[in-house]
Amino acid sequence: NAGVTQTPKFRVLKTGQSMTLLCAQDMNHEYMYWYRQDPGMGLRLIHYSVGEGTTAKGEVPDGYNVSRLKKQNFLLGLESAAPSQTSVYFCASSLGHGNQPQHFGDGTRLSIL
Amino acid sequence: SQKIEQNSEALNIQEGKTATLTCNYTNYSPAYLQWYRQDPGRGPVFLLLIRENEKEKRKERLKVTFDTTLKQSLFHITASQPADSATYLCALEGGGADGLTFGKGTHLIIQP
Repeated sequence: NAGVTQTPKFRVLKTGQSMTLLCAQDMNHEYMYWYRQDPGMGLRLIHYSVGEGTTAKGEVPDGYNVSRLKKQNFLLGLESAAPSQTSVYFCASSLGHGNQPQHFGDGTRLSIL
Repeated sequence: SQKIEQNSEALNIQEGKTATLTCNYTNYSPAYLQWYRQDPGRGPVFLLLIRENEKEKRKERLKVTFDTTLKQSLFHITASQPADSATYLCALEGGGADGLTFGKGTHLIIQP
């Protein structure tokens, strides 16, 4: 039982490049989330999903897209990376939306040069 | 605007003492409040959830209180140990569509 797995763990991109961050959970959770964590800013919600085939915008969605084609996977895409997107990205999943614990992966550390 | 405040400065506590962390909020009426622990280089790990109609919740050496009048939660670690050193995050169910909103966290250091 791996919980929430994020790949890759580290990545360096050049400005303008694209990439996809992968998140997989094996707990059969309906809800999945993508956050970014920056020094002094805390965790900020980028996008989330309340079930397979659904996505919704969070607090800071600009520059990112997401897809939830399968219940266990939640993908975060950067179409044209910018230095402002240098951050640590966390994926989480939960049984409920606010009334249940969230289970986090160990993050993807992304640097945009 | 909605705001969650946790002590931004590190909290230094001597081993064996009780550590008390504060989470204050404004312009929220959360039905649920959660506390997480985050170690360097790792994702947050859930510790405790407390509902608005619960005054106090305990788990081993951990205790959380939730005062909806003061709009404050206190998180206590009794008989603190150096292994308790970490950043502790509070999170509120804000009543909106986004689920949880997280505070910025308090860095706790337990000194031997």
